[in-house]
Formats: sequence, structure tokens, C-alpha cells
Amino acid sequence: GAVVSQHPSRVICKSGTSVKIECRSLDFQATTMFWYRQFPKQSLMLMATSNEGSKATYEQGVEKDKFLINHASLTLSTLTVTSAHPEDSSFYICSARTANTGELFFGEGSRLTVL
Amino acid sequence: QQQVKQSPQSLIVQKGGISIINCAYENTAFDYFPWYQQFPGKGPALLIAIRPDVSEKKEGRFTISFNKSAKQFSLHIMDSQPGDSATYFCAASIGDSWGKLQFGAGTQVVVTP
Repeated sequence: GAVVSQHPSRVICKSGTSVKIECRSLDFQATTMFWYRQFPKQSLMLMATSNEGSKATYEQGVEKDKFLINHASLTLSTLTVTSAHPEDSSFYICSARTANTGELFFGEGSRLTVL
Repeated sequence: QQQVKQSPQSLIVQKGGISIINCAYENTAFDYFPWYQQFPGKGPALLIAIRPDVSEKKEGRFTISFNKSAKQFSLHIMDSQPGDSATYFCAASIGDSWGKLQFGAGTQVVVTP
């Protein structure tokens, strides 16, 4: 099946710094990517929809200046958590929708810990 | 506000038994209902999915039952194995927004040897 790669898989940073997480579709082109956030033992909450070449669409309650999303190419979307604080510590998961079949594939997730 | 309600929160089943997880939704515009399996520290993986034009879909040991009038769907795991121990999420999405999934709260399934 199609592979979606996230990097880094784990990151620890100090409060106030910014962290970038990459989401790559390795063997297909993804016109749309989605970013989710998951707290321990909780469900996945959609943060934003990322379309290649256009601005991301954020879900209600998600700060777009806090969570910067860039979808620069058909295989790469990035999520930057700006001025991270301990409450931003979470598991961030991306998914990518194939351009041709519309199938959806999830990445392995990125665990962010803010000290 | 959870658009997809999932139950139970957790489930313990013996090896060889049947695991049943239920989901309910309110938005009749939903037209795609997938189930995902997630292991700790990993992203969710698609197990099986159904659209409202069928009432049941089976893939191996996994079966989705769909009741459009009741706005409910369920996952049955037959002959449950210890390797099935994971968290299962139901989800739903709408037509052109397919991929923009609304997830249920999740069910932690433990299969005992």
C-alpha cells in the first residue's frame, strides 16, 4: 500500500521554540493532506486540511498562527508549531489523499514533547 | 461535540471470541464510514470501510454492519486473536470532503490468550 512518512517521529523541545514536522507521501501524489492531533488515550481531532499550492483550512478552535501549515508540493506538507508550550505536547498525525484514486493513508505520527 | 459516538470505551475478549464495537451518527450527509486500528505510538491503519448503499461488508475476520435508518454501524471481529489487541476507531466523512474524517472516541480492545 501507499506510504506516508512523518519526520521526526519523536521530538523534544524547550518551551518557546518552534518545531517543524514533515509529512511526505513516498510513492504517490497527494493533492490534499490532513493534520490531526491526538492526546493520550483520546481520539484524533482534525486540525486542518492542507491543499497543495493554497492556504490551509483550519478547523474551528485551531490557531492558524500557532500551527503553521505549508503544502509546497504534491508530496510534502509541513506543520510548524510556533512558540511551543507544554500544552502543545501531543501526538500529531498526518494523512494524505491520493490524487488519482482518492484513497486516504495515514502517517506513523510524530510525538511532540515540550518541556 | 463528537459527531460520531462510539461504544464501548474498552472491551476484553477471550481468544477466539467475537469483539463488537458500535458507532452512531447524526449527520445524514455522512456517506463514508471507515474503521481504523491503532497500535500504541503508531498512526491509524484502515481496516475496512463501507458506504451507505450496502448493509454489510466482510473482509477476512472483520465485518461492518450498517443500519442506515438507525444511523448506526458496527465492527465485528471474529475469532479474535491477541494480535488484535489495539484501539479501534470508527469514523465518518461527507462526499467531497472525504478524507476530512470525524472520528469516534475509540475502543480499546484487549484479547486475552
